[in-house]
Amino acid sequence: DIQMTQSPSTLSASVGDRVTITCRASQSISSWLAWYQQKPGKAPKVLIYKASSLESGVPSRFSGSGSGTEFTLTISSLQPDDFATYYCQQYNSYSTWTFGQGTKVEIK
Amino acid sequence: QVQLVESGGGVVQPGRSLRLSCAASGFTFSSYGMHWVRQAPGKGLEWVAVIWYDGTNKYYADSVKGRFTISRDNSNNTVYLQMNSLRAEDTAVFYCAREKVGKRNYFDYWGQGTLVTVSS
Repeated sequence: DIQMTQSPSTLSASVGDRVTITCRASQSISSWLAWYQQKPGKAPKVLIYKASSLESGVPSRFSGSGSGTEFTLTISSLQPDDFATYYCQQYNSYSTWTFGQGTKVEIK
Repeated sequence: QVQLVESGGGVVQPGRSLRLSCAASGFTFSSYGMHWVRQAPGKGLEWVAVIWYDGTNKYYADSVKGRFTISRDNSNNTVYLQMNSLRAEDTAVFYCAREKVGKRNYFDYWGQGTLVTVSS
């Protein structure tokens, strides 16, 4: 099975900072990667799909890049609403989907 | 608008069974693959199971294989998760999620979740 590893696990940042989260796959997943944002007590919300495509309605300060085994999510200028936990997810397989362990973005 | 509403959660003793339901509305349910994803308290997301749009294929995480069964009723726009032989480690919020239409895809809509607590 494909394993997904995110880093860091926790990130402390200030409003206006540029933030980057990394996700690594244990084997190539081409560009079959999504990023989700989750706030406490809420369901996850998709931000990025196919590694770099912005989901409709998501602010353009969010961007994704990468292919194969290395991916990044970047928030160009962190806003108060962005403090949350972020998960990557691979969907390379037809029979299993895997999430990274999550990255919590905290207020510095 | 797309809505997914889970129900059926609660407190159950170890070894017992529980069935979760997810009622869908606002889209053509029979055209979409549906998933269950869970999240243990304070932990990350864990994919649990998928059922294809027509119910012909079902796949499970190793952690639930042989104990959980996913099914769907396209006439009633509902997906189910039958959970047997429950363990303490199954305690989690269970979400249903819609897979974006296509051959393999991400989850574009999620329900609000239902909490399952396995405890004696």
